[in-house]
Amino acid sequence: KNEVEQSPQNLTAQEGEFITINCSYSVGISALHWLQQHPGGGIVSLFMLSSGKKKHGRLIATINIQEKHSSLHITASHPRDSAVYICAVYPLIQGAQKLVFGQGTRLTINP
Amino acid sequence: DTGVSQDPRHKITKRGQNVTFRCDPISEHNRLYWYRQTLGQGPEFLTYFQNEAQLEKSRLLSDRFSAERPKGSFSTLEIQRTEQGDSAMYLCASSPPVPLRGTQYFGPGTRLTVL
Repeated sequence: KNEVEQSPQNLTAQEGEFITINCSYSVGISALHWLQQHPGGGIVSLFMLSSGKKKHGRLIATINIQEKHSSLHITASHPRDSAVYICAVYPLIQGAQKLVFGQGTRLTINP
Repeated sequence: DTGVSQDPRHKITKRGQNVTFRCDPISEHNRLYWYRQTLGQGPEFLTYFQNEAQLEKSRLLSDRFSAERPKGSFSTLEIQRTEQGDSAMYLCASSPPVPLRGTQYFGPGTRLTVL
């Protein structure tokens, strides 16, 4: 079992719909990243959070440390939101600086 | 452009050949990471540098793989005697000195195809 699991693996929705992508992890963490990857490979960091909730434009990320779970929400989705969304964590292992990634969620927003 | 850059963007090689990739991090970033991503999967950690010191290596990094960051600026990743299983996207990321586990900034990646 992977340390970081995302669901769903694929998600197709219509423009304007509210989108939720879930991330569950099995290890203690110091922080969690949500990342966006467009075709061609480039990865952009959307959020880094260790507690509570963060909002940026139409994107909202929440984390529940006790339940080891995070969600990424997109309001009023748009075709340009189509991308792979990846959850990654910094495990609480002494000296560890690496990110451990989920397998990604491929989001397609149809006009 | 002051982001992380990688060169080349694409590399096609024949099995058994050696390849070398370069990563130039954001200039004030002292931490540099290499990751590998195969199709349909999330990235996997390969190795990490703090300045010129290689502090952590994954078991994925076999004897055929070597990474260097000689002056604490750019880094190279070399794969010797490439195999078809090495075909993947190789991603580089960098992060600033503080915070300790902060946002990582990713380059565009080098896509390797081994024929």
